[in-house]
Amino acid sequence: ILNVEQSPQSLHVQEGDSTNFTCSFPSSNFYALHWYRWETAKSPEALFVMTLNGDEKKKGRISATLNTKEGYSYLYIKGSQPEDSATYLCACHNAGNNRKLIWGLGTSLAVNP
Amino acid sequence: DAGITQSPRHKVTETGTPVTLRCHQTENHRYMYWYRQDPGHGLRLIHYSYGVKDTDKGEVSDGYSVSRSKTEDFLLTLESATSSQTSVYFCASGQAIENTEAFFGQGTRLTVV
Repeated sequence: ILNVEQSPQSLHVQEGDSTNFTCSFPSSNFYALHWYRWETAKSPEALFVMTLNGDEKKKGRISATLNTKEGYSYLYIKGSQPEDSATYLCACHNAGNNRKLIWGLGTSLAVNP
Repeated sequence: DAGITQSPRHKVTETGTPVTLRCHQTENHRYMYWYRQDPGHGLRLIHYSYGVKDTDKGEVSDGYSVSRSKTEDFLLTLESATSSQTSVYFCASGQAIENTEAFFGQGTRLTVV
C-alpha cells in the first residue's frame, strides 16, 4: 500500500499572501499525480493531472510542479483570495496499485480577508 | 461539468438493514469508484469497476458489495448496515483513471442508528 503524504495539514494565510503545499509519494513505478480542490459541502474537483517528471501546470493563480525522481509535487497559490479556501487533495497512481488512486489526507487552506 | 449524480443525498437507516446507494453518470466513463470519507482519514476506496460486470475490491470493502449492470450505473450495497458505516460516500468516474481526472458526485451522507 502506498503512502501519500501532504503537508502542512492546515494553513491560515491573509488575503494576498502566496502559499504552497507539498505532496510526497513513493517514486517507484509512478504513473500519475492528481491535485484536487475540495470546498466545504461540495465534491472534489480536479485541478491538475501530471505524469512527467518536471511537469509544470498552471490554472489562473494556481500552479503545480512534479518531481517523480524524488517523489514530490508542490502546489502554489499566488495572491490567495478568500474563495481559495478549501482542502487541497493530492492522489497518486502507481503501477503497484492497479487501477486505484491513493489519496493523501489533504491540506486545509483558510484565507482570511 | 461531468454528469455524475448520486442518490439518495441523505439517508438515515437502522442497524441491520440493507441499504443501496446509486451512482449514475452520463459521460460513458469506463471506470467508476465508490469512496467513503471520514474525519481523520483520506478518501478510502470501497470498490471500483473497470467495465460492465467488472468490479474489484478496494481497501475497505468488508460489509459492502457493488454491481454494475450498465455503463452508467454503479450501485453500492451495505448488506447489513452497522454504525461503523455511518459516513459520507462519494462516487467518482473517469475514462482512464491513470492520467485523466476523476469526476465526483455530490456525496451521500449515510447515518446508521
